[in-house]
Amino acid sequence: KAGVTQTPRYLIKTRGQQVTLSCSPISGHRSVSWYQQTPGQGLQFLFEYFSETQRNKGNFPGRFSGRQFSNSRSEMNVSTLELGDSALYLCASSLTWGGFYEQYFGPGTRLTVT
Amino acid sequence: GENVEQHPSTLSVQEGDSAVIKCTYSDSASNYFPWYKQELGKGPQLIIDIRSNVGEKKDQRIAVTLNKTAKHFSLHITETQPEDSAVYFCAASKADDKIIFGKGTRLHILP
Repeated sequence: KAGVTQTPRYLIKTRGQQVTLSCSPISGHRSVSWYQQTPGQGLQFLFEYFSETQRNKGNFPGRFSGRQFSNSRSEMNVSTLELGDSALYLCASSLTWGGFYEQYFGPGTRLTVT
Repeated sequence: GENVEQHPSTLSVQEGDSAVIKCTYSDSASNYFPWYKQELGKGPQLIIDIRSNVGEKKDQRIAVTLNKTAKHFSLHITETQPEDSAVYFCAASKADDKIIFGKGTRLHILP
């Protein structure tokens, strides 16, 4: 069974631009969570989607948004990029939503903002 | 909300020795505690997890213990090998809520 895939793997953007990252979960998994990973802050939860609905949300500004499609694939968008948005963005898939179930991570998208 | 503290931030052990990483959590309602291993250039990989109805779980060289009264849980790796070198994350969560991660422990296995 294929694992979680994320595209693109690397991205370089300029301050003020916007970016869209994509995540395809493991076949049969209906929940997708997004995390931001930085050396100083570790893994910070962004949001979780299940059945095209956001179920949980972390403490990030409104510039960070996401959505999920009927095939469970998910995208996250960051508008008006700032230098501090440079990070590894990870998505994780799970059979269902809520923190009680195993999550499986993709390889991440490395975003660099210049 | 939940807060997870993880110690130590860096750990060096001789190959063949044991390694122990400890985590504490703040929300007594948390009932799921996974551990992840992250190698360079890869996403975190789930290596073992424990739920609050058990006190210990083993999988070959890896074991996790949970003390719900004290609100702490630990990862034990025995007979360490070079491929165990990585960053390890603990996490805690409860039903219908997000998973909160510790800051990670960088484990170095010395030859």
